[in-house]
Amino acid sequence: EAGVAQSPRYKIIEKRQSVAFWCNPISGHATLYWYQQILGQGPKLLIQFQNNGVVDDSQLPKDRFSAERLKGVDSTLKIQPAKLEDSAVYLCASSPGGNSPLHFGNGTRLTVT
Amino acid sequence: AQSVTQLDSQVPVFEEAPVELRCNYSSSVSVYLFWYVQYPNQGLQLLLKYLSGSTLVESINGFEAEFNKSQTSFHLRKPSVHISDTAEYFCAVTLSGGYNKLIFGAGTRLAVHP
Repeated sequence: EAGVAQSPRYKIIEKRQSVAFWCNPISGHATLYWYQQILGQGPKLLIQFQNNGVVDDSQLPKDRFSAERLKGVDSTLKIQPAKLEDSAVYLCASSPGGNSPLHFGNGTRLTVT
Repeated sequence: AQSVTQLDSQVPVFEEAPVELRCNYSSSVSVYLFWYVQYPNQGLQLLLKYLSGSTLVESINGFEAEFNKSQTSFHLRKPSVHISDTAEYFCAVTLSGGYNKLIFGAGTRLAVHP
């Protein structure tokens, strides 16, 4: 089966600019996650979708971050405006739900200068 | 709330030597435990998991981990490492009953030298 697809792989922007990341989960996976992985740290959950509804966005900085999964399939994560501390790898993962494991994409590496 | 502590940020080791990557967790309720591996410029891959049953779990590439409830640990071991095992290893925890809200440790960089 095809894995979780993410684009772009790399992005460099200046602070205060906006940026968007795209994720296409494995076909049929109802649950989709966005994680932020800052250099030297473990991934931190930003938001979790179940189909097109948000299950958990308690750690999403809502003043600048937004995410959507309008048709319950692919998802976009947006940052506006970006700050230097947003430099990180943004990982998307999907799961069929229940006791099934998460499948991760290769991530988007964001550098904010 | 759950938390995960990986006690070593880096572990250098020579090829064919044994290795142990340490992981301790904190939780007031039952949890599931995982080890993920991340090769350079790639996403995370599930290495092994403990859900219930036997406290010793094994992966297909020779790694094993033992769940120790009294010590709240889930250390990862391999009796003989290869150069190809060089990667970042993450221990993670989630509440029993689902894979939601995986909480990761900070990671351990395993560097295998010839």
